Amino acid sequence: DAGVTQSPTHLIKTRGQHVTLRCSPISGHKSVSWYQQVLGQGPQFIFQYYEKEERGRGNFPDRFSARQFPNYSSELNVNALLLGDSALYLCASSLVGSGVYEQYFGPGTRLTVT
Amino acid sequence: GNSVTQMEGPVTLSEEAFLTINCTYTATGYPSLFWYVQYPGEGLQLLLKATKADDKGSNKGFEATYRKETTSFHLEKGSVQVSDSAVYFCALTPGGYQKVTFGTGTKLQVIP
Repeated sequence: DAGVTQSPTHLIKTRGQHVTLRCSPISGHKSVSWYQQVLGQGPQFIFQYYEKEERGRGNFPDRFSARQFPNYSSELNVNALLLGDSALYLCASSLVGSGVYEQYFGPGTRLTVT
Repeated sequence: GNSVTQMEGPVTLSEEAFLTINCTYTATGYPSLFWYVQYPGEGLQLLLKATKADDKGSNKGFEATYRKETTSFHLEKGSVQVSDSAVYFCALTPGGYQKVTFGTGTKLQVIP
């Protein structure tokens, strides 16, 4: 079975622009979470979605938003990009939204804001 | 809030040396604890986990024991290989939720 897939792999944007990142979970997984990993640091939690509803939100500004579709894929949107938004954006999927179930991470989307 | 503190790297070891990467945590309740590994150019992979006090997680020769009294989850391996070179992240989830809180990562370099 395919693992978690993310697109695009790399992206270069200019300050003030908008970006949409996409994630497809492992087949059968209903929960998707998004993380931001700045170079040299650990991933920071942004959002969790389960059954198309937001179940958790990290300490990120309202410029960050996300949604989950009926097929459980997900999009992360970032408006009014700042230089500090440059990072690796990771998507993780799991079978259910709570409990100790393993999260499977995708390879990430590398976003560079210039 | 929840937090994870792990030793700073990079850690450089010779092949077959003993590895310890220290990790301590702060959390309310009874968190589950994890070690993730990130190989160069790849995504995060779960290495091992422990869900309650005194549990020992193990995988690929790596071990870590959930010590509630010292709020620690140190990663150990008896004999490292060059292929173990990667960044290792200690992490936790609060009981019943999936938000993962990560440490800053420790880069391990194993030289032949």
